[in-house]
Amino acid sequence: GDSVTQMEGPVTLSEEAFLTINCTYTATGYPSLFWYVQYPGEGLQLLLKATKADDKGSNKGFEATYRKETTSFHLEKGSVQVSDSAVYFCALSHTGANSKLTFGKGITLSVRP
Amino acid sequence: SAVISQKPSRDICQRGTSLTIQCQVDSQVTMMFWYRQQPGQSLTLIATANQGSEATYESGFVIDKFPISRPNLTFSTLTVSNMSPEDSSIYLCSVRRSGDTEAFFGQGTRLTVV
Repeated sequence: GDSVTQMEGPVTLSEEAFLTINCTYTATGYPSLFWYVQYPGEGLQLLLKATKADDKGSNKGFEATYRKETTSFHLEKGSVQVSDSAVYFCALSHTGANSKLTFGKGITLSVRP
Repeated sequence: SAVISQKPSRDICQRGTSLTIQCQVDSQVTMMFWYRQQPGQSLTLIATANQGSEATYESGFVIDKFPISRPNLTFSTLTVSNMSPEDSSIYLCSVRRSGDTEAFFGQGTRLTVV
């Protein structure tokens, strides 16, 4: 079955540092890939997505590129802010009316001033 | 994006009781899902709420414990029955509209069972 693997956390960075959060997946076919973010005490928000190979999703300074050859969707940001402190989830979904999201374990990012 | 209202936002319940969580969407959606997020863990799909028919449950979840209703295309409820402390989690409603690849989430219900 489908699975998503995220790097182990937590991650602590200083403000303005470069961020990379690794995500790899196992799935049949060509799933859509997502990054969701969960701020403290809140639900999940869609951060960005990519629906086909070589697509780059971007939002709020975050980027991730759909790499079919390495089955990866790593999240990057050039300069993190304290407000980026949250839990980040990588996920995949196939097309189709009944398709569900498969999530990675999530990783906690803490950004210190 | 869809606007999802989930109630209650949090509750503390006695063991052996039941809690019904409501999920209201501001537009008609094709799919509605219920997830559980145990403390410090990722999200686990409980079931897919089907409009006008019985929900489709994932392995490890049963209707007697988590009955679900979906009377129309904008509303669903999840009941956590005969609760125990192990049911203490965040429960999240999620929706996907026809033609969308992504899903949207409610704010979640933080349940503590004592």
